[in-house]
Amino acid sequence: KAGVTQTPRYLIKTRGQQVTLSCSPISGHRSVSWYQQTPGQGLQFLFEYFSETQRNKGNFPGRFSGRQFSNSRSEMNVSTLELGDSALYLCASSPGRGRSYEQYFGPGTRLTVT
Amino acid sequence: AQKVTQAQTEISVVEKEDVTLDCVYETRDTTYYLFWYKQPPSGELVFLIRRNSFDEQNEISGRYSWNFQKSTSSFNFTITASQVVDSAVYFCALSEARNYGGSQGNLIFGKGTKLSVKP
Repeated sequence: KAGVTQTPRYLIKTRGQQVTLSCSPISGHRSVSWYQQTPGQGLQFLFEYFSETQRNKGNFPGRFSGRQFSNSRSEMNVSTLELGDSALYLCASSPGRGRSYEQYFGPGTRLTVT
Repeated sequence: AQKVTQAQTEISVVEKEDVTLDCVYETRDTTYYLFWYKQPPSGELVFLIRRNSFDEQNEISGRYSWNFQKSTSSFNFTITASQVVDSAVYFCALSEARNYGGSQGNLIFGKGTKLSVKP
């Protein structure tokens, strides 16, 4: 089985721009979660999607949003980028329902905001 | 409030030494899950172990072992006879079981311990 894939792997954006990151979960997995990793704040939960519905959301401003498609692929969007949004964004997929504890992480997208 | 503390920011050992990574957690729930992940320089988080709050048995997997003690709210990780390939950042994480009713919930991570194993 292919693992979790995230695209792009690296991205450089300018402050004020917006960005969309993509995550393709493991085949058959229906849940996708997103995390932000920065040197200062560490790993922080952004949000989780299951069957195209957001089930859980972390403490991030509204500039951070996401969605999930019918094929379970997920995208997250950050609008009006700030320098502090520079981070490694990790996506995790899970089978969901009864096996929610199984989280498989992708390689991440490293976003640099200049 | 949920919280995970990994007091050791960085540890450096010489190959073949044993090393223990500490993890202390806080939660109000009686049912919860604890995890350890390894993050090599490539960035991908690699799952190592999951324990639920009702299972305090220590676990051993090869050179890895975990010591879960509810009385001290600790879930420590020991690597025996460390190797250079063990060099990575190790994260301890917590998730409350109520999140698993339908939701994967969110993992609360510690700040991580960077382990450097020198030859």
